[in-house]
Amino acid sequence: DAMVIQNPRYQVTQFGKPVTLSCSQTLNHNVMYWYQQKSSQAPKLLFHYYDKDFNNEADTPDNFQSRRPNTSFCFLDIRSPGLGDAAMYLCATSLFQGTQYFGPGTRLTVL
Amino acid sequence: RKEVEQDPGPFNVPEGATVAFNCTYSNSASQSFFWYRQDCRKEPKLLMSVYSSGNEDGRFTAQLNRASQYISLLIRDSKLSDSATYLCVVAYTGGFKTIFGAGTRLFVKA
Repeated sequence: DAMVIQNPRYQVTQFGKPVTLSCSQTLNHNVMYWYQQKSSQAPKLLFHYYDKDFNNEADTPDNFQSRRPNTSFCFLDIRSPGLGDAAMYLCATSLFQGTQYFGPGTRLTVL
Repeated sequence: RKEVEQDPGPFNVPEGATVAFNCTYSNSASQSFFWYRQDCRKEPKLLMSVYSSGNEDGRFTAQLNRASQYISLLIRDSKLSDSATYLCVVAYTGGFKTIFGAGTRLFVKA
């Protein structure tokens, strides 16, 4: 089945230690998104790729970076995780401005 | 003021009840509207898009009021399996800028 896959499902890192979260998709969608969702809060859009074009939200901290080496994969890099970065990180894809399909998320813990 | 606001609930209703949620948005440039469902510790999943003329999908009815800048979701004949958080989503021009509401929690009890 076509799907959005995120790895790992759970990630534990130390304060200040860089971490990379992975997202892959078999839907062949041209747009990929990264969201941050904290407990009982709305998912917050961090950035998205439209094909190879990177679009950063204005309030996304510089600590968060992203890479999209090809259509299928997109990575979220957190350069120096702080305690406040502990959250669920959701990857989503869409075909142009269509419906967004979410992966199961990666739950990040920062010690 | 948040761009998309929802009553967090929780709404506690018995099986078979009808329940309605509202969501208000502040940016009149908003163009697309959706309801997503999110189960505990799971990812959001699209429940339905919301069209200007209103739309229905089985027990679920969504409506849009552009003049008052709100959308609504009506659930008829509630099932236990409807228990979840319902997220209101607004997309702006181009469709990539999407703002989620914090969600309304629904508990359906036997």
